[in-house]
Amino acid sequence: DTEVTQTPKHLVMGMTNKKSLKCEQHMGHRAMYWYKQKAKKPPELMFVYSYEKLSINESVPSRFSPECPNSSLLNLHLHALQPEDSALYLCASSQEGRVGFFGSGTRLTVV
Amino acid sequence: GQNIDQPTEMTATEGAIVQINCTYQTSGFNGLFWYQQHAGEAPTFLSYNVLDGLEEKGRFSSFLSRSKGYSYLLLKELQMKDSASYLCAVKGAGTALIFGKGTTLSVSS
Repeated sequence: DTEVTQTPKHLVMGMTNKKSLKCEQHMGHRAMYWYKQKAKKPPELMFVYSYEKLSINESVPSRFSPECPNSSLLNLHLHALQPEDSALYLCASSQEGRVGFFGSGTRLTVV
Repeated sequence: GQNIDQPTEMTATEGAIVQINCTYQTSGFNGLFWYQQHAGEAPTFLSYNVLDGLEEKGRFSSFLSRSKGYSYLLLKELQMKDSASYLCAVKGAGTALIFGKGTTLSVSS
């Protein structure tokens, strides 16, 4: 199983809503990431979890809140987002610098 | 600082060979990745190099020279479906990948 599974694939939310993005992998990878990607731009790193501990937070606004309940799961909780937060949100995992796999992403639209 | 450079756009014809270059300056080096990304989709892993030399995988090959901070992705026997963005990414001293801006490849018949 070399998959990173993200749900939902598409999400439309209002600026007052609270929603969560979910990511799951069963490859035993101990590093998991959230990236944000705007159209025609490369992915931008948001958060890194290493061994279930938050190791990197790239100055992301507090309206994005990551959570790593266990070594296979990674969540991104969203609250009071702005329209400019509309983007493709990508989850990825890797192990000890080896192959990094991406999930298929969640296309988020904030209205 | 950290910097990864790759050409913005390239064009080629079906059946041809194309080489996409990537140069990098990063704090530390723990491997270089190439990803393919079609519009509206997530990046797909293509290759990983951590030692100098050429890694071949079917129609795709990737080369790394750590002393020169240089890599290339070679695509042979181009097909229309190879039209996509190709992302060069480096794992520096930290855990996360640092991405270049991507190269948009257009393959024409």
